[in-house]
Amino acid sequence: EPEVTQTPSHQVTQMGQEVILRCVPISNHLYFYWYRQILGQKVEFLVSFYNNEISEKSEIFDDQFSVERPDGSNFTLKIRSTKLEDSAMYFCASGEVGGTDTQYFGPGTRLTVL
Amino acid sequence: RKEVEQDPGPFNVPEGATVAFNCTYSNSASQSFFWYRQDCRKEPKLLMSVYSSGNEDGRFTAQLNRASQYISLLIRDSKLSDSATYLCVVKPGGDDMRFGAGTRLTVKP
Repeated sequence: EPEVTQTPSHQVTQMGQEVILRCVPISNHLYFYWYRQILGQKVEFLVSFYNNEISEKSEIFDDQFSVERPDGSNFTLKIRSTKLEDSAMYFCASGEVGGTDTQYFGPGTRLTVL
Repeated sequence: RKEVEQDPGPFNVPEGATVAFNCTYSNSASQSFFWYRQDCRKEPKLLMSVYSSGNEDGRFTAQLNRASQYISLLIRDSKLSDSATYLCVVKPGGDDMRFGAGTRLTVKP
C-alpha cells in the first residue's frame, strides 16, 4: 500500500538555525499538507499546497516558514531561525483531491530545538 | 466553544465492551467529518469518514447529527489493539482540517 514518507525521523537543532523537513507524498496525490503537534497537544494545520503554490495557510504559518516542491516527488517545509517553541512533531499529509477528500499522514519528523 | 471538542477520557474498558465517543463542533458550515486514530507518538491514521446517513465499518459505527453539530463513534467488541487516542476531525470547507484534542481509550484484558 502506498504511503507518505518523511525524513529525518528526528531532527535536533540549535535555536536560530534553519531546518528543512522532507516529505515524499503518495505518488498520484496532488494536494500536500503540513501539520504540527506539540507534545501533549492537538494536531494543528499549517499549510496546504496545490499546483505548486500555497492554497491555504494558518496563522501559525508566518514568515518563518516556507514550503517547496523542488521536484516531482519531494515536498519540503523550511523553518528559518528556529525557536524553542517550534519543538514539535511535524506531519506531512497528502490527498488525491482537495476539499472533502481524506488526507493520509506520514510518520512525522520530531523536531527538537535546543 | 472550542472548534472541535471531545471528552479527553481516559476511557478504560475491558475486552469485548462497547464504548462510545462523542464530539461537537462549532462551525455549522463544516463540510466533512472524520475519525482518525493516533497511537502514542505516531501519525494520525484514518479510521473512517462520517456521513450524514451514518456509516459502519466492521465493529465501528459513526454518526453525524448536523442539526446538533455532533459526531459519534461507537466501537463494539473492543480489542486490545483498539487502545489508542481517537481524534475527531472536521473540515470547515477548505483544506484546513481541525482536530479535536482526542479521546484516549485503553482496552484491558
